[in-house]
Amino acid sequence: DGGITQSPKYLFRKEGQNVTLSCEQNLNHDAMYWYRQDPGQGLRLIYYSQIVNDFQKGDIAEGYSVSREKKESFPLTVTSAQKNPTAFYLCASSISPTGTYGYTFGSGTRLTVV
Amino acid sequence: AQSVTQLDSHVSVSEGTPVLLRCNYSSSYSPSLFWYVQHPNKGLQLLLKYTSAATLVKGINGFEAEFKKSETSFHLTKPSAHMSDAAEYFCVVSDQGAGGSYIPTFGRGTSLIVHP
Repeated sequence: DGGITQSPKYLFRKEGQNVTLSCEQNLNHDAMYWYRQDPGQGLRLIYYSQIVNDFQKGDIAEGYSVSREKKESFPLTVTSAQKNPTAFYLCASSISPTGTYGYTFGSGTRLTVV
Repeated sequence: AQSVTQLDSHVSVSEGTPVLLRCNYSSSYSPSLFWYVQHPNKGLQLLLKYTSAATLVKGINGFEAEFKKSETSFHLTKPSAHMSDAAEYFCVVSDQGAGGSYIPTFGRGTSLIVHP
């Protein structure tokens, strides 16, 4: 079945560490997105990519980095510069950059700073 | 700039009674509108979408929504709530921004509580 796979499901980070969240899709979708979810704040856009080898900052990109070297993969790195990284992270994709057909989401990664 | 306002952070209903989750949006162009559902610690699942076709949109699990341009609303309804409907619901608008990109913007979510 086609879909988006996020791994790991749970991730623990020590202070000062960089960690990378994986997002892989086998839907042949052009556009991919990373969101951060905190209680009561909905989903906030971190980065998005509408085509391979190109990506754009979202509303809260500081302290995060991404790459889009392959169409199916859009990993997110949470750097030590992100001061409050504990959150639920969701990856999404859409078949076209306009989003007309909707967005498909992964199951999420819960990141906790220990 | 586009924005989405979900008017209720929590909605509480009894099983078997109607559900109404309210959403208002602002958009400069012709938006696409969506409702998603999220169960605890899960990803989001598409319930229904409006993309400039029929204004009354039917979705999965008996949900439907009506696009009202004059009121800039896209409220979600269901005639009879089921216990399994208890979840977080998100209204989403996607429209062309100033830079030409289409970016989905999410509301803050409405938590639906269903009492037996």
